[in-house]
Amino acid sequence: EAQVTQNPRYLITVTGKKLTVTCSQNMNHEYMSWYRQDPGLGLRQIYYSMNVEVTDKGDVPEGYKVSRKEKRNFPLILESPSPNQTSLYFCASRRNGPTGLREQYFGPGTRLTVT
Amino acid sequence: KNQVEQSPQSLIILEGKNCTLQCNYTVSPFSNLRWYKQDTGRGPVSLTIMTFSENTKSNGRYTATLDADTKQSSLHITASQLSDSASYICVVSAQDSNYQLIWGAGTKLIIKP
Repeated sequence: EAQVTQNPRYLITVTGKKLTVTCSQNMNHEYMSWYRQDPGLGLRQIYYSMNVEVTDKGDVPEGYKVSRKEKRNFPLILESPSPNQTSLYFCASRRNGPTGLREQYFGPGTRLTVT
Repeated sequence: KNQVEQSPQSLIILEGKNCTLQCNYTVSPFSNLRWYKQDTGRGPVSLTIMTFSENTKSNGRYTATLDADTKQSSLHITASQLSDSASYICVVSAQDSNYQLIWGAGTKLIIKP
């Protein structure tokens, strides 16, 4: 089954304790992206990757790191989490394409709470 | 500044009734507009994608319209069902080098029996 998976689905942690949220897709998509979703706001892009070893900042990259060593994986790293990073996080993937009409597929989400 | 605004913020209707959700955008240059359905606690799922030249597009009981001149879109849901309860998000893609997406905050739709 074609899908984007994220782990963990739920995470409660304390300020300053490094964590990684994994994302994996089995559709051979070039493009992968991380978003956060907060109440009353639209999804905001954190980082994206157009292909292996290529990553770029989105709208809200502060406090996050990513890497793209393999095509299928795109982990999100919080080196020193803070309470304002409490949010619902989504990973997404799609094919690159010249028209920008490629369908984007989302993972199930990771609910992160930082105390 | 590129923005997408949706109205209403929330809506409650009875099962079987129709409803229309609105989306206004100020994204330029425009590439395409998408409507997503997001069930609570889950990732968004695409309903429709429309380009500049498309005025209307249907997906079952969902019909999206686009007026590129006034920069407005609507999503019409016909004969609503309980499973339509979700957030509906309007997303506009700018025609930049990466076709980045500008997300609306969504309309939360509740269908009551």
